[in-house]
Parts: sequence; C-alpha cells; structure tokens
Amino acid sequence: ETGVTQTPRHLVMGMTNKKSLKCEQHLGHNAMYWYKQSAKKPLELMFVYSLEERVENNSVPSRFSPECPNSSHLFLHLHTLQPEDSALYLCASSQESSGGAAGDTQYFGPGTRLTVL
Amino acid sequence: GDSVTQMEGPVTLSEEAFLTINCTYTATGYPSLFWYVQYPGEGLQLLLKATKADDKGSNKGFEATYRKETTSFHLEKGSVQVSDSAVYFCALSRIRSGDNYGQNFVFGPGTRLSVLP
Repeated sequence: ETGVTQTPRHLVMGMTNKKSLKCEQHLGHNAMYWYKQSAKKPLELMFVYSLEERVENNSVPSRFSPECPNSSHLFLHLHTLQPEDSALYLCASSQESSGGAAGDTQYFGPGTRLTVL
Repeated sequence: GDSVTQMEGPVTLSEEAFLTINCTYTATGYPSLFWYVQYPGEGLQLLLKATKADDKGSNKGFEATYRKETTSFHLEKGSVQVSDSAVYFCALSRIRSGDNYGQNFVFGPGTRLSVLP
C-alpha cells in the first residue's frame, strides 16, 4: 500500500450504532488530520494530531472521538450519530517541521462515505 | 479569521477552452497557497502550490501566481481537456497558533469544472 488509505470506503449506520473509521499513512509523516466534506459546504477540519498528540479540535461534537495510537494510524470512533453527520470523511497526513514552515503539502486518502439513517 | 473565497461554479467549458478559476484569500502573516483537485470518488490531490509572494506554481499545464498585493491565487490553464473535469479547491496554510509548529489548512468551497468534448 502507498500513500494514505482509508477503510471502509462506504459505511451505512443507524443512529444508535457504534462504528470506527480507520486511516493509515505509508509516507512516514508526523501529522494526521480528519476532515468532513458535506455537499455544498467547504471542507471542515475536525481534528489534527501532530507527533501523536491532538493539537486541534474544532468544536466537534463529542459523538466523534478521534484516536491516534501511533504516527501511522488514525481512527475516528462514531456513536449515536445524527442524519446530518452523513458526509465524506477524509483523512490526510503531512510532514510538519519546526521553525515556522507553512508550505508542507497535505496528502489525502480517498475518504469514507458515511450515511446515517 | 483566515478564509478562502473562490467561484463556486459549476464551470462548463468546451475542450481546448481557456480556464480561469478565481481565488482570493484573507490571512494574517504569510500563508502558503495551494490548489487541490478532487476527481469523482477520490480524495484531494495537490495540483500546485506557492509559498511566497510572486511565486508561480505549475503542474500539468495549470498555473497560479501568488499575488500578495491583490491577495489572489487564480488558477489558469490554456487548453482544458475532458480529463480535467473535477472539483478544484483553493487553500491556504498558516502556522498553527500557540506553538509555532506545524500548520493548519483553510480550504475554499471548491469549484466544479465540467469539460465537454
């Protein structure tokens, strides 16, 4: 496998279910991100992990719970979701550096298409 | 806060037509600027980037120049192909506040391009 992979690619769940999305990066990067992409809305940053520590949490409801066990893996645990949570969830990774660099490229996975019934 | 504005489209062109997708940004400091492309069923892929004023990013016939005076990063291509049909995202990255390490991205809403044969 190369790049950033996400599983599953498609997920349908009821509002009372618990499921997890998985992301794995094979690029040796030290930062990983979760984004939500909804129709007719800009890409929304949800969580950022840098060096396996959560450094950003953009007011995401607690029914979304991220986990980063190591620098290559990122999970998004889902429970008691709402229909409006249906979206494409994208994972990305990058190699961040100290010293104020802002030109690092983010590499995206193909996304998980989530439908909440 | 930082933001990115781009024409939402959809933009429909005939093959070999000239393409311009406008992008303007609002940011403090000196962000880096990016264009990403998303083909159907896939995640975002980096198309080109520029990290400082007057830099020109280019790739696959696409070009964009970082214009600090007009806070713009317009995407252009001289002759589009059917295979260029996709959604194009303008984005900026800025140093993550608080720790001066790493970066966060802000994406525009995306512009859907359809190229007809």
